Amino acid sequence: NAGVTQTPKFQVLKTGQSMTLQCAQDMNHEYMSWYRQDPGMGLRLIHYSVGAGITDQGEVPNGYNVSRSTTEDFPLRLLSAAPSQTSVYFCASSYSHTTSYEQYFGPGTRLTVT
Amino acid sequence: AQRVTQPEKLLSVFKGAPVELKCNYSYSGSPELFWYVQYSRQRLQLLLRHISRESIKGFTADLNKGETSFHLKKPFAQEEDSAMYYCALSPISGGYNKLIFGAGTRLAVHP
Repeated sequence: NAGVTQTPKFQVLKTGQSMTLQCAQDMNHEYMSWYRQDPGMGLRLIHYSVGAGITDQGEVPNGYNVSRSTTEDFPLRLLSAAPSQTSVYFCASSYSHTTSYEQYFGPGTRLTVT
Repeated sequence: AQRVTQPEKLLSVFKGAPVELKCNYSYSGSPELFWYVQYSRQRLQLLLRHISRESIKGFTADLNKGETSFHLKKPFAQEEDSAMYYCALSPISGGYNKLIFGAGTRLAVHP
């Protein structure tokens, strides 16, 4: 199993550009989520999904869209990039949405918006 | 407000010394608590969860509801323990595994 994969690893955008961060998992996990990590702060939840066709907002959803058309994929879309979205983005998945299950993280995407 | 606080950005110890990584939380209920670890060039991964009451790689963590703390301890640190450690809380209400992370503590174990 590849686990959770993320592409690209690095990306530089100009303000106003849009892009999609890809996330895929091959563990047939029900629950997937996106976090961002900024210097000196812990990871913060952007959006999450408890199954195909079901998504919801986390703590910092503004400026981001998600969709979950398949169990495997959970892309994160930046509609109009802003310098405040410069961050490291982590995708995670879990067997179940219930609280005690371990979350498996991807390697991260480092995004810089100039 | 739900919050996880890790007061130390860096904890530097010598090999064989005891280690305690502090974690305090703010939550009006009984949360699920976790420690995640990120070794150099590796992914963030689960180290232990309080509900399992387990010891992983010699680390233990006890939930103290009175002090709202979940400190991570190891009696004798090893060089391979050097990593970034994150304490995380998952609110039980709502039923979803939405982790709230602390800012992390970097543990450096010197030979």
